[in-house]
Amino acid sequence: AAGVIQSPRHLIKEKRETATLKCYPIPRHDTVYWYQQGPGQDPQFLISFYEKMQSDKGSIPDRFSAQQFSDYHSELNMSSLELGDSALYFCASSAGKEETQYFGPGTRLLVL
Amino acid sequence: AQSVTQLGSHVSVSEGALVLLRCNYSSSVPPYLFWYVQYPNQGLQLLLKYTTGATLVKGINGFEAEFKKSETSFHLTKPSAHMSDAAEYFCAVSVGLGGKLIFGQGTELSVKP
Repeated sequence: AAGVIQSPRHLIKEKRETATLKCYPIPRHDTVYWYQQGPGQDPQFLISFYEKMQSDKGSIPDRFSAQQFSDYHSELNMSSLELGDSALYFCASSAGKEETQYFGPGTRLLVL
Repeated sequence: AQSVTQLGSHVSVSEGALVLLRCNYSSSVPPYLFWYVQYPNQGLQLLLKYTTGATLVKGINGFEAEFKKSETSFHLTKPSAHMSDAAEYFCAVSVGLGGKLIFGQGTELSVKP
């Protein structure tokens, strides 16, 4: 079965650079969630979209923005990167308001 | 506000022994509860979930969990541990249907031969 696809899988950036993370949900899933997992931490919710509209917002820095496109894929844009942004970024998708979120493999971001 | 507490950041069992990972939740509304497993350098895989109905839920790989409202618990169990069960386990609560997940701190399970 098709799963959530995230790209890139690994990313190395310098401080103050920008990064764009992409998420392709499971086919026919219209809801996308972004989570950030720091080293040794539990995943923290950043933002979610339902039918291309932002549906909820968590502890996402103002330096970050995200959107969901007409084909339901989503992109997380991160600017003015800081060392503390180094983390594993997960995307999850679900079908409508279904309760189960299916996670992608994550993008590991390292900021030097 | 919803929250999740996992008791024990690290649990070690012998192969073939009972696995018990503890999770307590706090929720002002009927909760949706989940257990996810994370293998090293991998994403989160759903083990099982409780939404409504039967309070004992069975998941993949022989795991099961029981929702106990009176104890606000959702502990994960497996009768006999395998070496392949070694991983990080996260309990999570959903804020409403289709809402964000709030995770516990995670429990690392080690399985000794």
